[in-house]
Amino acid sequence: AIRMTQSPSSFSASTGDRVTITCRASQGISSYLAWYQQKPGKAPKLLIYAASTLQSGVPSRFSGSGSGTDFTLTISCLQSADFAIYYCQQYYSYPWTFGQGTKVEIK
Amino acid sequence: EVQLVESGGHLVQPGGSLRLSCEASGFTFSSFWMSWVRQAPGKGLEWVANIKPDGSATSYVDSVKGRFTISRDNAKNSLFLQMNSLRAEDTAVYYCARDNEIILELGVHYGMDVWGQGTTVTVSS
Repeated sequence: AIRMTQSPSSFSASTGDRVTITCRASQGISSYLAWYQQKPGKAPKLLIYAASTLQSGVPSRFSGSGSGTDFTLTISCLQSADFAIYYCQQYYSYPWTFGQGTKVEIK
Repeated sequence: EVQLVESGGHLVQPGGSLRLSCEASGFTFSSFWMSWVRQAPGKGLEWVANIKPDGSATSYVDSVKGRFTISRDNAKNSLFLQMNSLRAEDTAVYYCARDNEIILELGVHYGMDVWGQGTTVTVSS
């Protein structure tokens, strides 16, 4: 199975900050990568698919980039609603696998 | 309204069985791949299985192969997960999700764009 590793596992930031989360795949996955946001007690929400395509209705402050093994999720101007856990997920091959998650906390 | 509603989660003893259901509404269920994703208490997300729109193909994570079976009834807009030989490590919130298939120039992409609220499975004696 392809292993997805996110960094950092958690960090603190302030509203208005630009933040970047990194996701690395254990082998090349082209652009077959999605990003999800999860808030406590809630189901995950799809943010980005195909590594950089924004899901309908997701604010444009979210962006994704990368291809092959290295990917990033960037939030250009952190809002209070963005404090959550973020997961990357590959769908290049079965079994689909998620990263371990990155928790974005309020500083 | 596009919606998925899971049910069937329960406390079950190790070695026992359980069948989860997910009822879809607000979209053409028979046109979409569907997945089960689980989340153990305090842990991250783990994709469990998915099934093709017509039910002719399924895939599973290794840890559930031979124990879990995903199925669907398109006439009833329903997705199922039959779980046998349950273990303590199967304890989790189980979500059903719609795998939206998006055909782009460079390939077929998926995003789990609709999720249920989750149903809790606890395996314990």
